[in-house]
Formats: sequence, structure tokens, C-alpha cells
Amino acid sequence: QVQLVESGGGLVKPGGSLRLSCAASGFTFSDYYINWIRQAPGKGLEWVSYISGSSRYTDYADSVKGRFTISRDNARNSLYLQLNSLRAEDTAVYFCARRTDATVSSPLDYWGQGTLVTVSS
Amino acid sequence: QSVLTQPPSVSGAPGQRVTISCTGSSSNIGAGYDVHWYQQLPGTAPKLLIFSNSNRPSGVPDRFSGSKSGTSASLAISGLQADDEADYYCQSYDSSLSGSWVFGGGTQLTVL
Repeated sequence: QVQLVESGGGLVKPGGSLRLSCAASGFTFSDYYINWIRQAPGKGLEWVSYISGSSRYTDYADSVKGRFTISRDNARNSLYLQLNSLRAEDTAVYFCARRTDATVSSPLDYWGQGTLVTVSS
Repeated sequence: QSVLTQPPSVSGAPGQRVTISCTGSSSNIGAGYDVHWYQQLPGTAPKLLIFSNSNRPSGVPDRFSGSKSGTSASLAISGLQADDEADYYCQSYDSSLSGSWVFGGGTQLTVL
């Protein structure tokens, strides 16, 4: 069955860095776009970034552009999100989620359980 | 402030029908982009509930239905059950924004 498992979250000081991972199984990882979505405590969902199956296409929300970098290793069935210059407002649960296809408005059919990033001094 | 507007909360008694609206604009829903709905039970990850405006993934009961018209979409839940109590989010694409994946602010459903 399809599984996505995030890891790497934790407590980090403002200005610090963190690398999140998402381990995928149960499907041909390289065939799918994967998104990162985050949810601040008690708040709604916010799209963060996506990457195509071949890594050719990536994009970011304006709120993280220039600070976060998405990447993947298809040989390891793994997705990554490098978080730099972290701010208090980046505190959130970060979910990785699979897109059903490459169309711009395709839905997210499988989600991981999330990993919590807390930015605080 | 979310690009897609949802009511913060709705409620209904068991067995009743409730609807949740998702209002967008000419650069997202009104531009013809699909709307998807997600259900988030307390303490869990979101789950795809309705895709491409009105389609249910395998395993989602037909008590859940979706529709889209103009710049808005709606999620209807009939025969309310206690375990429908959750947060519901609409999602689409916006051509006027960088990156452009947009979510509604979420609607908390309370089953009375």
C-alpha cells in the first residue's frame, strides 16, 4: 500500500536550518509529483512546494522562496525539504503528499502523517 | 486571509444534511480549475474526500458529494454521523499567484 513517512522535524532557533525527509513506498516514486504542505498550530493548510518526478520542475510559495529547497532521490524513494533562515512563522507540521498526475490542478491522494517543526529561541 | 473562502464552522444534527461553501474568483475556480476537498479528523493528516469537483475516491461513502458553479464550489454531507466531525478544506489552483496552489481556510464541522 502507498505510504509516505516524514521525519527530521524538531526545535530550531530563528535563523537556523533543518532538513526534512519523506520516505515513500508502495508505488513507483519516480512517476509522481510530490508536494510539501504545512499547517501551523491551530491553523489551516498552506502549500509550500512541489517537485516533479524527474526533478525537472519545482516551485515554491512566496513565503518560503529563497529559503527552502525541495529535492528528491528516486533511487532511495525519498523526498527532501531543506529549510534555511527559519522564522517563527515557519513553525508548523509539514506534510508530504503525492499528486495524482502532472496537471496543475491535480489533487493530493496520499499524505504522510507529518513532522513538526518548531522555530523558537 | 485565504484565497478561497470557507465558513469557519458549520453544524448539524445526526442524520441531517449540511453544505460547506468554497468561494473563489476568476483566477482560480472561475477560471475552470478543479476543486478538491479534504477531510482532516482531529490529530490526523488530511484525506482526499472529493476530487475534480464532484468525484469520490474509492472508499468514500456516497453521503459525500461535491459540486462547482461559477466561482464557487460546495461540499454536501448527508446523513450526518458523529465521526464526520472534522475540519474540511477546499483546494484549487490560482493562475494569478506564484506557485499557485491554494487552500480554503477550512471549515470545522460539529455534529450536535
